[in-house]
Amino acid sequence: KAGVTQTPRYLIKTRGQQVTLSCSPISGHRSVSWYQQTPGQGLQFLFEYFSETQRNKGNFPGRFSGRQFSNSRSEMNVSTLELGDSALYLCASSLEKGYEKLFFGSGTQLSVL
Amino acid sequence: AQSVAQPEDQVNVAEGNPLTVKCTYSVSGNPYLFWYVQYPNRGLQFLLKYITGDNLVKGSYGFEAEFNKSQTSFHLKKPSALVSDSALYFCAVRDDDYKLSFGAGTTVTVRA
Repeated sequence: KAGVTQTPRYLIKTRGQQVTLSCSPISGHRSVSWYQQTPGQGLQFLFEYFSETQRNKGNFPGRFSGRQFSNSRSEMNVSTLELGDSALYLCASSLEKGYEKLFFGSGTQLSVL
Repeated sequence: AQSVAQPEDQVNVAEGNPLTVKCTYSVSGNPYLFWYVQYPNRGLQFLLKYITGDNLVKGSYGFEAEFNKSQTSFHLKKPSALVSDSALYFCAVRDDDYKLSFGAGTTVTVRA
């Protein structure tokens, strides 16, 4: 069974641009969540989607948004990029809502210049 | 709001010695606790979880964790560490609203 796939693996953008990251969950998984990982802030929760609905959202500005499609694939978008948005963005999927383990992708490394 | 604390940024042990990575939590409802490990240039991998039941939870790669409600702790342990256990370890808590919060992470270095 294929794991969680995130594309692209690396991205370089400049300030003010926008970016879209993609995540394909494990087949059959309906819950997708996104996290930002930085050396200074650690792992921070962005949002979680289940059956195309955003179920939970972290403390990030409105420039960060996401969506989930009917096939459970998810995208997150960051508009008006800032230098501080440079980070590793991780996507995770799980079968259902609740308490079972998350399966993480390898992440998208975003660098904002 | 829930939170997780990992008081040690780094843990260094010799191969064959016991390994402990500490975690304390704060959550308003029932705690659902997890440990994940991250190897260099990789995503996180699930090690184990506590939902309910036995306070001693056994997980992958010989790891186990002990849930202590009175001390609000969930320490990760391995009786005999391997060099290959060197990685970044995260404790996480998920509250009743399904929101997951991670600790800052503990870098484990196991020397041969």
